[in-house]
Order: sequence, then C-alpha cells, then structure tokens
Amino acid sequence: AAGVIQSPRHLIKEKRETATLKCYPIPRHDTVYWYQQGPGQDPQFLISFYEKMQSDKGSIPDRFSAQQFSDYHSELNMSSLELGDSALYFCASSLGSRYLGTRSTDTQYFGPGTRLTVL
Amino acid sequence: AQTVTQSQPEMSVQEAETVTLSCTYDTSENNYYLFWYKQPPSRQMILVIRQEAYKQQNATENRFSVNFQKAAKSFSLKISDSQLGDTAMYFCAFIHTGASGNTPLVFGKGTRLSVIA
Repeated sequence: AAGVIQSPRHLIKEKRETATLKCYPIPRHDTVYWYQQGPGQDPQFLISFYEKMQSDKGSIPDRFSAQQFSDYHSELNMSSLELGDSALYFCASSLGSRYLGTRSTDTQYFGPGTRLTVL
Repeated sequence: AQTVTQSQPEMSVQEAETVTLSCTYDTSENNYYLFWYKQPPSRQMILVIRQEAYKQQNATENRFSVNFQKAAKSFSLKISDSQLGDTAMYFCAFIHTGASGNTPLVFGKGTRLSVIA
C-alpha cells in the first residue's frame, strides 16, 4: 500500500538560510499534519491542513509557513534557520470527515521524516 | 487542554516475555481516540494500535493489546511474546474527534523499551 512520502530525507543548511520540505499524503487522504521532533523529545504539532485550508496551528514559529496544494501535497517553508531548528520533521496524513453525526477515520499515518541539520 | 502521561521513561523485558507500558490521559471531552505509536531506531513512526473511546472492547493487534479504562483515563499497552524487533520508543497519543474535525495528535513523552535476548 502507498505510504506518505517526504522529501528530502536529509537536509543540511547554514544558519539564516531557507529550507522547503515536501510531503505527499497517502492517495485520497485530504488532511496533512506537520510535526517537529527534537532529539530525545516527543513530536510537537506545527500545523495542519484539511482540503487545502489551514485547519489547526500549533507551535509553529513565524519564520515558518506552509500550504497544501490542489493535489493535496503540502510544503513547509522555513526561513532564517536557527540552530534550534535542527530536528526530525514528520508529515502525517489522514482521511477526515466533517459531516455531523459521523466519525472520521482519523488515524494519522506518518512519513519517514526529513532530518534537518542547521550548522 | 488534553495531556498524555507516560510514567515509565525506560523499561526492559526478556525475549518471549510479556511487558505492559502505562499511559494516562486527561481530557474533558467525550469523543476521542487513543493510539500507541512505535519509533524504532530508524525513527520511523509506526502505528501499533488504536482505540475508540466509545468502544468498550479493548483493541488487539496480534501480540499487542490494550487495557482501556475510560473512567480511570488509563490506556496501557501489553506486548506478549516480546521479540527483539519490538525494541523501540513507544508513544501514547490522543486526538479529540468531533463534527468540526479532528485535533492533532498529543503525545506522551515516550517509553523506551529494550528487549533483551
């Protein structure tokens, strides 16, 4: 079965540079989540999109922005990179349902992650 | 705000034995889902098992089962016949679900499980 695809898998940047991370959800999934996991930490939610609209916002710095495109893939843009941005960035996708009285399938499936190193 | 607590930072178990990982959560909501994710050394996040709060029956997936105690807000994971490949960090996680959609996952701090040969 197709899984979530993230690119690149590894990225090395200098301080103050910019980076773009890409996420391709499982086919037919309409919801994308971005998480950041620092060394030895649990994943922290950054931002999510449902049907190409921002759905929820977590602890995403103002230097970061993201969007979901018409083909449902998503990109996380990171500017003015800092040493503290070094982390593993996960994208997860799910099939959401917003209809009253129904429950969505909700389960989030994770991509392999992008390991970002800022030097 | 929802919180998830895993009180065991590290655990170890002998191969073929059974181990139970603890998780408690706090929420005022009634509609939610609970998950256990596994993160092996490759750091891939792998879904192990999920539980719908409205279901009384405990979820099982092969050697993995949960003990879901809704009133106590407890959600433990039992791994039977432990295998070396079960060595990983295990995260308990929670989402609230409703008509306006699902919340993002809220994770516990994780339990590092080592399976010893």
